[in-house]
Amino acid sequence: NAGVTQTPKFQVLKTGQSMTLQCAQDMNHNSMYWYRQDPGMGLRLIYYSASEGTTDKGEVPNGYNVSRLNKREFSLRLESAAPSQTSVYFCASSWGGTTGELFFGEGSRLTVL
Amino acid sequence: ELKVEQNPLFLSMQEGKNYTIYCNYSTTSDRLYWYRQDPGKSLESLFVLLSNGAVKQEGRLMASLDTKARLSTLHITAAVHDLSATYFCAVDAGSGTYKYIFGTGTRLKVLA
Repeated sequence: NAGVTQTPKFQVLKTGQSMTLQCAQDMNHNSMYWYRQDPGMGLRLIYYSASEGTTDKGEVPNGYNVSRLNKREFSLRLESAAPSQTSVYFCASSWGGTTGELFFGEGSRLTVL
Repeated sequence: ELKVEQNPLFLSMQEGKNYTIYCNYSTTSDRLYWYRQDPGKSLESLFVLLSNGAVKQEGRLMASLDTKARLSTLHITAAVHDLSATYFCAVDAGSGTYKYIFGTGTRLKVLA
């Protein structure tokens, strides 16, 4: 069972470079999410997609863009990376609806120099 | 805007002891979730609480939800070393948004 798959798992960027984090789920979930995790800050929501064709800002959207490519895939793009974006990024998915339990990918560790 | 606070942030406890982690949130919601994260790993779901008064138990962990007080508790009974992890609560921002806001986490260390 693949569940939620994120790529890449590790990435080092220089300030100003761009990159895209990919996320795919095989559980036929409606909703998908991108969070970042920093020490002492918990998980902060960057963007989410409640259903295919929709995207919404979360708590910390500045510097990021997202694309819900189809029901399975939700990508996160950093157009011009900054050191403040050094973090661990988690993708998650959920049925939505009445339960809302999130299923997480393994995380992507990004370092911006 | 929904704010979710957990306390304590760090908890070191002896095996066999009991303790409670608290999760407070700032706006009306009747859906709350608890997750566990082991060091360097992803998060896994522990409990889903979907109504006022909901109580769920799994092994030595018991979670409850009081929507009127905007408070959830995660109670640990007779802690064992394997429970050492970081525990997060997350709250549904409501109004059909499917937007989940996390607390800062409680890092639990159980000492043998």
